[in-house]
Amino acid sequence: KQEVTQIPAALSVPEGENLVLNCSFTDSAIYNLQWFRQDPGKGLTSLLLIQSSQREQTSGRLNASLDKSSGRSTLYIAASQPGDSATYLCAVRNAGNNRKLIWGLGTSLAVNP
Amino acid sequence: GAVVSQHPSRVICKSGTSVKIECRSLDFQATTMFWYRQFPKKSLMLMATSNEGSKATYEQGVEKDKFLINHASLTLSTLTVTSAHPEDSSFYICISRDEANYGYTFGSGTRLTVV
Repeated sequence: KQEVTQIPAALSVPEGENLVLNCSFTDSAIYNLQWFRQDPGKGLTSLLLIQSSQREQTSGRLNASLDKSSGRSTLYIAASQPGDSATYLCAVRNAGNNRKLIWGLGTSLAVNP
Repeated sequence: GAVVSQHPSRVICKSGTSVKIECRSLDFQATTMFWYRQFPKKSLMLMATSNEGSKATYEQGVEKDKFLINHASLTLSTLTVTSAHPEDSSFYICISRDEANYGYTFGSGTRLTVV
């Protein structure tokens, strides 16, 4: 059974820092992994999608890496800004016909000005 | 890109009443819709998976008679919370698989408060 864990659960950093959020999963047979952002009381925003054949994806100040063999993904945020404050979730889609996403509990990020 | 429109964004209802949440896919056909709910400081929990034209598949512990899901067309899926109870207060979100991009497209979520 796939389990997704995100560490740390919460993070508070001063503005301008580079930071890394971690996501680990127990079953390496995945189809893809996706990072999302959730602002308080609001829906989800997809940040980066990494297919199982890919090693990383980049979008602006965000870079996500994927190491299937070790069951890990990291989300790197460069030069953090207060507007980056949100909860960051990773979700894994298992390989095969099961289309369900398995979600981590998220990392709550606060970037302080 | 693919967009899922979810309404309402917020709703307050009295205990015992029913609330319908709609998710419409714009510019694409949502053959599969996933319905999730999220309690405060918890992750998203899958409630049910609906496929167009067939009965929804509910996750263990989710009452299908309480959470009615209809997916009668490729562009509309609805979740009806029947006989709402304060413990049903939660954030509900629909997610559809984006067939073209192998990713997922999300509704903006519905904050339900039952008083």
